[in-house]
Amino acid sequence: SAVISQKPSRDICQRGTSLTIQCQVDSQVTMMFWYRQQPGQSLTLIATANQGSEATYESGFVIDKFPISRPNLTFSTLTVSNMSPEDSSIYLCSVRGQGYGYTFGSGTRLTVV
Amino acid sequence: AQSVAQPEDQVNVAEGNPLTVKCTYSVSGNPYLFWYVQYPNRGLQFLLKYITGDNLVKGSYGFEAEFNKSQTSFHLKKPSALVSDSALYFCAVRDMNDKIIFGKGTRLHILP
Repeated sequence: SAVISQKPSRDICQRGTSLTIQCQVDSQVTMMFWYRQQPGQSLTLIATANQGSEATYESGFVIDKFPISRPNLTFSTLTVSNMSPEDSSIYLCSVRGQGYGYTFGSGTRLTVV
Repeated sequence: AQSVAQPEDQVNVAEGNPLTVKCTYSVSGNPYLFWYVQYPNRGLQFLLKYITGDNLVKGSYGFEAEFNKSQTSFHLKKPSALVSDSALYFCAVRDMNDKIIFGKGTRLHILP
């Protein structure tokens, strides 16, 4: 299965600033996904990152708040923009490998103060 | 829309006893079902999946799950619980757009 390197592992940010999270995969994958896990909650899909086209966002998530880049088949970034304390969550990237094996990054624990 | 339900927020089991974490699903078409585990301050780890084939699926760390089509269930089981099994467990389903949709999670406490 694919191996994902996600950075940073954690950060504490001031409100109103932005944070960019990176995910690097050790193999080429067609589909990459970004999730949010709010404290004590389950994982909610933010968007699907498509190589060469705009990301597809789920209901309740918008590009202005969570811009995503996918420059190639092994890399993607998620930016959390104009942050507020409500954005404090764990953010995870995921890829779909062969045989419907979905792998997740180790997550980015974001605290907004 | 595809969905999974985990009816229990928390399950307590004594060490050495069998454990079951429940999951039911609602899908159109053939279900692709998954179990993941999340340990404190760690990422999400894959346990097992059901795509097709045998209804009893064996996974990591001695866990298994039984796919039951008539009851639309995919319960996670382990014959003998360990304290180290204490964690947050998620049932998930693949939707028609290849996305994974998660249940709300069940916190498993194994009591020494």
